[in-house]
Amino acid sequence: QKEVEQDPGPLSVPEGAIVSLNCTYSNSAFQYFMWYRQYSRKGPELLMYTYSSGNKEDGRFTAQVDKSSKYISLFIRDSQPSDSATYQCALPNASGTSYGKLTFGQGTILTVHP
Amino acid sequence: DAGVIQSPRHEVTEMGQEVTLRCKPISGHNSLFWYRQTMMRGLELLIYFNNNVPIDDSGMPEDRFSAKMPNASFSTLKIQPSEPRDSAVYFCASSSGLGGRDTQYFGPGTRLTVL
Repeated sequence: QKEVEQDPGPLSVPEGAIVSLNCTYSNSAFQYFMWYRQYSRKGPELLMYTYSSGNKEDGRFTAQVDKSSKYISLFIRDSQPSDSATYQCALPNASGTSYGKLTFGQGTILTVHP
Repeated sequence: DAGVIQSPRHEVTEMGQEVTLRCKPISGHNSLFWYRQTMMRGLELLIYFNNNVPIDDSGMPEDRFSAKMPNASFSTLKIQPSEPRDSAVYFCASSSGLGGRDTQYFGPGTRLTVL
């Protein structure tokens, strides 16, 4: 079993839709949770990060963490064509010899069509 | 700031040839990461350095891969000999720390094709 599982999609939605992207993880030691966005032919860039269970909002984006279920989500409200990208969850090791090492989900390819 | 710089952006080579990928991290960052990205496996960490010292190279696939960081502003990832299964996009990233909350800044990647 991979440490981080993410449905690769692809996911295609109409403009204005609410998008839900999800990851599950197996190691309860993970404490921080990040979402990276990657546009085509570009490197990933940090979109959001959160530490605790619950919700964190940033504009149209909401990151949600449920540590009891080891389940993290990213919601995009009022999705726009400019949101079309690959979204990857990333979980950093919080201890041990690999402190700071990021484990990425496989990434979900999202297309928002006008 | 120019961001993380990688060269070359594209590399096409024949099986058995040596390939060298280069990375210049953001000035002042003390951690550097090399990743490989494929459709099947997504982003995989190959190796990372802190203060020019390799910390974890458990992701390096085999002895054909080697990485060096001779100083704080330059790193190389070398594949010798290259094989078709090495075809992927290779990313370099840097950060100002090694903690879980330190943002990693990625370069534009090198798209490697081994024929």
